[in-house]
Amino acid sequence: QQQVKQSPQSLIVQKGGISIINCAYENTAFDYFPWYQQFPGKGPALLIAIRPDVSEKKEGRFTISFNKSAKQFSLHIMDSQPGDSATYFCAAGKTTNAGKSTFGDGTTLTVKP
Amino acid sequence: NAGVTQTPKFRILKIGQSMTLQCTQDMNHNYMYWYRQDPGMGLKLIYYSVGAGITDKGEVPNGYNVSRSTTEDFPLRLELAAPSQTSVYFCASSITPGGTEAFFGQGTRLTVV
Repeated sequence: QQQVKQSPQSLIVQKGGISIINCAYENTAFDYFPWYQQFPGKGPALLIAIRPDVSEKKEGRFTISFNKSAKQFSLHIMDSQPGDSATYFCAAGKTTNAGKSTFGDGTTLTVKP
Repeated sequence: NAGVTQTPKFRILKIGQSMTLQCTQDMNHNYMYWYRQDPGMGLKLIYYSVGAGITDKGEVPNGYNVSRSTTEDFPLRLELAAPSQTSVYFCASSITPGGTEAFFGQGTRLTVV
């Protein structure tokens, strides 16, 4: 049973456009929702994260929107750039339990110049 | 500032062989994790540790073993390698539980033939 479902699997966006990646989770005990960015041949790197007490968090061109009642959260990349081309993973975790983090299957984003 | 260092970067094993994937971190993090990443899939937690001397199973522990004798090191042992263990392995560490703000190594690409 997959606890975090991520969509789409792949995404192609024109330079300057908005990239949107969605995730849905099942376990209401999760209280930490990070997004990771992974370039080919590299390990994932934390991009931005949100806790369920806020509905939105913005860092530069990256925004997380969080809908607690729907158990969904999404990553928005504004003014997408070719350098944003990477695989993005959402995750959900419980800050009091080290063994309960779970990842989505990833979205491969291609930003065309 | 090294962060999380994994060795080796690549390895080819024959079926039935054993090996140890090394992981060390220099951030004095208590929490460490081993994940495997299969193509088109998210990261699956193999084992985790909440501190020296304490380890626990994650989602996919079968065929693996870990130890944590020091805060810095968290090696992953594969006994009797099988083709199903062909994957990319990532080690990560975090200062808080739940995988929050985790830092990842660059990964070990393992092929079992």
